[in-house]
Amino acid sequence: AQSVTQPDIHITVSEGASLELRCNYSYGATPYLFWYVQSPGQGLQLLLKYFSGDTLVQGIKGFEAEFKRSQSSFNLRKPSVHWSDAAEYFCAVGPQGGSEKLVFGKGTKLTVNP
Amino acid sequence: NAGVTQTPKFRILKIGQSMTLQCTQDMNHNYMYWYRQDPGMGLKLIYYSVGAGITDKGEVPNGYNVSRSTTEDFPLRLELAAPSQTSVYFCASVSRGQETQYFGPGTRLLVL
Repeated sequence: AQSVTQPDIHITVSEGASLELRCNYSYGATPYLFWYVQSPGQGLQLLLKYFSGDTLVQGIKGFEAEFKRSQSSFNLRKPSVHWSDAAEYFCAVGPQGGSEKLVFGKGTKLTVNP
Repeated sequence: NAGVTQTPKFRILKIGQSMTLQCTQDMNHNYMYWYRQDPGMGLKLIYYSVGAGITDKGEVPNGYNVSRSTTEDFPLRLELAAPSQTSVYFCASVSRGQETQYFGPGTRLLVL
């Protein structure tokens, strides 16, 4: 069965520091991979996605993620964090062809210190 | 387009009461979903629908019911509310082959 593991429940970084959020997945075939962000009191918004091709994908708000098949990972990165990036981040995996059936990780809450 | 809308935004229920959480999308999506989100647990799929008249159970369906009489609407029914159903509920929709599910703003439910 497919699953997503986000090892870090909570991460705190200082504003301007770099960020990496980890995501590992278990899937029987090459999956579609997603990162979503949830600001406090809001729904989920898509940050970026990987379907195929270049393993480094760019998203909104200056985020990027790298797909590493050998490590079954899809880590999210940002070179310089802004206070407005404080939110909860969810990694998700789904079958190739679309996002009709997604499995979500438990999320990583990001706190940004001034 | 309003996207995915959910009502109410917040509700307090007493144990044993019933209620319906409303979800409407105006994007003509055929797939619709109900998730619940509990702290530290991510999103769990309750029910989903692949089109009007077709629904199926997700990971945590017990205590809930759904119907899909139109493409636009996908209400979630709680018949006998229990404290374990205290959660934030999200509705989402997508069309087959689209790149992302679109989420509503959520309904926060407290059962006391």
